[in-house]
Amino acid sequence: AQKVTQAQTEISVVEKEDVTLDCVYETRDTTYYLFWYKQPPSGELVFLIRRNSFDEQNEISGRYSWNFQKSTSSFNFTITASQVVDSAVYFCALSEAYGSARQLTFGSGTQLTVLP
Amino acid sequence: DADVTQTPRNRITKTGKRIMLECSQTKGHDRMYWYRQDPGLGLRLIYYSFDVKDINKGEISDGYSVSRQAQAKFSLSLESAIPNQTALYFCATSSLGTSGYNEQFFGPGTRLTVL
Repeated sequence: AQKVTQAQTEISVVEKEDVTLDCVYETRDTTYYLFWYKQPPSGELVFLIRRNSFDEQNEISGRYSWNFQKSTSSFNFTITASQVVDSAVYFCALSEAYGSARQLTFGSGTQLTVLP
Repeated sequence: DADVTQTPRNRITKTGKRIMLECSQTKGHDRMYWYRQDPGLGLRLIYYSFDVKDINKGEISDGYSVSRQAQAKFSLSLESAIPNQTALYFCATSSLGTSGYNEQFFGPGTRLTVL
C-alpha cells in the first residue's frame, strides 16, 4: 500500500523567510510519480509539480524548489522569500506508474501561513 | 471558462435526502475521479472511472454511487445523506497520454453540509 506523510500540520513564517515543507512517502513500486498541489483559501487545488521516481534532479521554478531524495523517500518543497500570497494548504501526493488504477494517494496537507 | 466544473458549488441538505453532485469537463480526458476532503485527512478517493463503461470503487465508496453519463460527465450521488458526509468534494480528470503521467486536474469543489 502507498502512503504519504506530511508531518507538519501547520507552519507559520514571517514574510521573506524561507520555508520547507516536508513530504515522506512509502511505496513498493520502483517506478512512481510524486506531485505537489496548492490549495489557497479559495479552495481550489492547483497543480505545482510532477516528478518521476527515476529523475532525482532537483527542480527550481522561481521562488519554488523541490528536493527529491529517493534514498530517504522524501520529496520536500521549499519556498524562498515567502510572500503572503503563499499562504495555503500544500498537499504532497504519490501515484503508481504502472497498472490500470494509477490512483493518487495524498498526504494530509500542511497549512502554511505567511505573516506580513 | 473552467476546464473542470462542478455543480452545485455549495449545498446544505438534511439527513436522509438524496443528493447528486455533478462534474463536467472540457479537457477531453478519459479518466474522472471523485474525492472528498476532510480537515486533517487530505483527499480520499471515492470512485474513479476510466471510460463510460468502467467504474471502480475507491478507498471510501460506502454510502456513495456514481454515474458516468458521457466521457465528459461524472456524477456522484449520496442515496441517503448522513451528517458525516459533510465535506468538500472534488472532481478530477486525467489522461495518461504518451508520457504515462497521471497528473490530475481538479474542479473547484462542492461544499456539502448534511444537517
